[in-house]
Parts: sequence; C-alpha cells; structure tokens
Amino acid sequence: AQKITQTQPGMFVQEKEAVTLDCTYDTSDQSYGLFWYKQPSSGEMIFLIYQGSYDEQNATEGRYSLNFQKARKSANLVISASQLGDSAMYFCAMRAYAGNNRKLIWGLGTSLAVNP
Amino acid sequence: DGGITQSPKYLFRKEGQNVTLSCEQNLNHDAMYWYRQDPGQGLRLIYYSQIVNDFQKGDIAEGYSVSREKKESFPLTVTSAQKNPTAFYLCASSIEPGLGADTQYFGPGTRLTVL
Repeated sequence: AQKITQTQPGMFVQEKEAVTLDCTYDTSDQSYGLFWYKQPSSGEMIFLIYQGSYDEQNATEGRYSLNFQKARKSANLVISASQLGDSAMYFCAMRAYAGNNRKLIWGLGTSLAVNP
Repeated sequence: DGGITQSPKYLFRKEGQNVTLSCEQNLNHDAMYWYRQDPGQGLRLIYYSQIVNDFQKGDIAEGYSVSREKKESFPLTVTSAQKNPTAFYLCASSIEPGLGADTQYFGPGTRLTVL
C-alpha cells in the first residue's frame, strides 16, 4: 500500500538556523513524485517543492531543498536560514503515475515553530 | 492575478441542510479537486474532475456531490447525508492530471461548521 509517514508531530528551530523535516514513503511503483506543501495558520496550502523519482539531482527552490534518498525511501525537506514566517504546518505528499492513479497520498504533517 | 478562489471563507449550517461551497480558478487548469481536512489528519480526497462534465469519486465521497459544467468552476455540495460535515474544505487544481509533476495548487479553503 502507498503511504507517507511524517514522524515529527512538532519541531522547533531558532531563527536563522536550518531545520530538516522528515518524510518517508512507501510505494511499489517505479515512477512517482514527491511534494512538500506549507500550511500557515490561515489555512491555504502552499506548494513548496517537487522531486520526481527519476530526478538525479535533489530539488532546490530558494531556501528549500529536498534531501532525496531513494534507496531509503526518504524525501526530507531542508529549510535553510529559518524565518519567523516559516512557522506553519508542513505536509509531505506522494503521487504515483502508474495506471490510472489520480490522487496524492498525504502525510499527517509536521508543525514547525520558529523562535526569535 | 491568476489563482483559485473559494467562498465563503466561513460557513455555518444547521443539521439537515444542504450547503454548496464554491471553487473557481482562472489558471486554465483541466483538473480540479476537493479535499477535506480534519484536525490531526492529512487531506482526504472527496471528488476530482479531469475534464468538464466528468468527475470521479475520491476516498470519502459519501454525502457529497459535485458538478463540472465549466472548466473554471467545481462546486461542492455537502448534503444532509454527510454525517459529520464540520471540517476545513480545500479546493485545488492542476494543469493536466497524470503528466509530469502535475502540481496541485490550492485555494484558501472554506471552514464549515454544523450547528
């Protein structure tokens, strides 16, 4: 069964420091995609970064990078130089491309608090 | 500006009433989705539509109905058959399902409370 696991319910980080949010996934498909979203207290889900299963390089997007370790089935999000505005819920999601699969599988999220 | 709008932001419903949540996008995306989010849980897919006049049930479609008469619009009706409708509802859209990254972009959400 396809599954996303985020083992950290809550994380704290000091402003300007880097933080890693963990995400492990389970799938038997060869072709899949991994997404990270940010959900601030306002509720809107904001897309951050994407990693395809065949991408050889780790994805980066500004202060966000994805530490993709395919053999370990992990796709951790690294936020560098944390800012107060990074305080939010962060969700990892996976999309499989085999057959007629049309949905994302979501983790339960990690709540990040950035301390000044 | 291109984006996804959802209205209303907050919605209160009495038991036994049907309510319709609006979702509009001007991104020219083919696919649209409805999710439900409950505290402490990830998003759960209610319905999705890949093209106008076509839609598919997601994981928790019971008690909900949708229509897709226009590419830009994908309204969700929460019927009285939905036993526990109090939740946060998120609408999303993507360019074309099943191709490449097919990133889903979300609206601001509607918080529904049953009184």
